[in-house]
Amino acid sequence: EPEVTQTPSHQVTQMGQEVILRCVPISNHLYFYWYRQILGQKVEFLVSFYNNEISEKSEIFDDQFSVERPDGSNFTLKIRSTKLEDSAMYFCASSQPLAKNIQYFGAGTRLSVL
Amino acid sequence: DAKTTQPNSMESNEEEPVHLPCNHSTISGTDYIHWYRQLPSQGPEYVIHGLTSNVNNRMASLAIAEDRKSSTLILHRATLRDAAVYYCILRDVGGANSKLTFGKGITLSVRP
Repeated sequence: EPEVTQTPSHQVTQMGQEVILRCVPISNHLYFYWYRQILGQKVEFLVSFYNNEISEKSEIFDDQFSVERPDGSNFTLKIRSTKLEDSAMYFCASSQPLAKNIQYFGAGTRLSVL
Repeated sequence: DAKTTQPNSMESNEEEPVHLPCNHSTISGTDYIHWYRQLPSQGPEYVIHGLTSNVNNRMASLAIAEDRKSSTLILHRATLRDAAVYYCILRDVGGANSKLTFGKGITLSVRP
């Protein structure tokens, strides 16, 4: 069964460093998303992406964050200068362009900012 | 997205049915009712969705009240692997790529 793949599974970085989280969505999906979950808290929406543009973003997704689909398969989330409070699980999701819009999630990348 | 209300937690015994309730009294006519679950240390996983009629799939059943102000996710025979946080989420039928707004969900524990 097709699945969303995220790498790395765990990323450790120093505060102020740039990180890139990578995702390979399901191949025939056209909508892509990033969510994050701080330990013990709710899953929070960050950004949605369609047709090489951001469709919607949350207040969390400030100028330190960016997304890119550099080729036909990868979807990346970049954090330019990480902060301690960026430590969280980051989930990528993708969906087909259907009204019911089931989103398929990856297993996540655990980002630890020291 | 309209708000949903779920109990914080529920316990069940293995191989017994489980009914997970969700209230959504402010649901609009164009809101689908979606259920996702999150197993420990994993990403959310789609379970089922419906609009007005009850729905069944290989994972679960969804019973929707006639006035659509509440719904119940039914796991017919709980297994240990069903222990997870279950989220009830409303999504507009026109929101082809709209975000999922997760609440705290209900934590289901399954006793052997």
